[in-house]
Amino acid sequence: EAQVTQNPRYLITVTGKKLTVTCSQNMNHEYMSWYRQDPGLGLRQIYYSMNVEVTDKGDVPEGYKVSRKEKRNFPLILESPSPNQTSLYFCASSLSSLSYEQYFGPGTRLTVT
Amino acid sequence: TQLLEQSPQFLSIQEGENLTVYCNSSSVFSSLQWYRQEPGEGPVLLVTVVTGGEVKKLKRLTFQFGDARKDSSLHITAAQPGDTGLYLCAGLKRGTYKYIFGTGTRLKVLA
Repeated sequence: EAQVTQNPRYLITVTGKKLTVTCSQNMNHEYMSWYRQDPGLGLRQIYYSMNVEVTDKGDVPEGYKVSRKEKRNFPLILESPSPNQTSLYFCASSLSSLSYEQYFGPGTRLTVT
Repeated sequence: TQLLEQSPQFLSIQEGENLTVYCNSSSVFSSLQWYRQEPGEGPVLLVTVVTGGEVKKLKRLTFQFGDARKDSSLHITAAQPGDTGLYLCAGLKRGTYKYIFGTGTRLKVLA
């Protein structure tokens, strides 16, 4: 089954404790992206990757890191999480940066206390 | 800065009524997508429009992209309870690979 998977689905952590949210797709997609969704603000793009080893900042990259060492994986790293990073996070992928159709993962709900 | 304004934010209607959701911006987009999101799930793509003035129909849903590619609308005819959900528009900023999402329209269709 073609899908985007994220782990973990739920995470409660404390301020400053490094964490990684994994994202994997099995559709051989080139373009991958991370979003956060907050009430009243909608989805905002954090980082995106057009292909392996090619990443760029979205609109809200502060406090986040990403890497794209393999085509299928695009982990989101929070080196020192803070309470304002409490949010619902989505990973998405599409065939290419110009194919427009994005397929979203199920989301990761992160709480930073 | 929110570049895509969606209206209305909330809409509660009776089954059988028609409705229109608007997505407006001062920026030009290479393409615009509409998604629907259910609670606890990621957004699911409904349609992509690319050409200014383009109209696409998906059963009872009609999508239109503005001539200047700055705005879009979603019209639902004879809404059904199964249409209930969060509707999101998203645009690919022209000349970039960045996506901008609207704040969403939460639709509730009452039986």
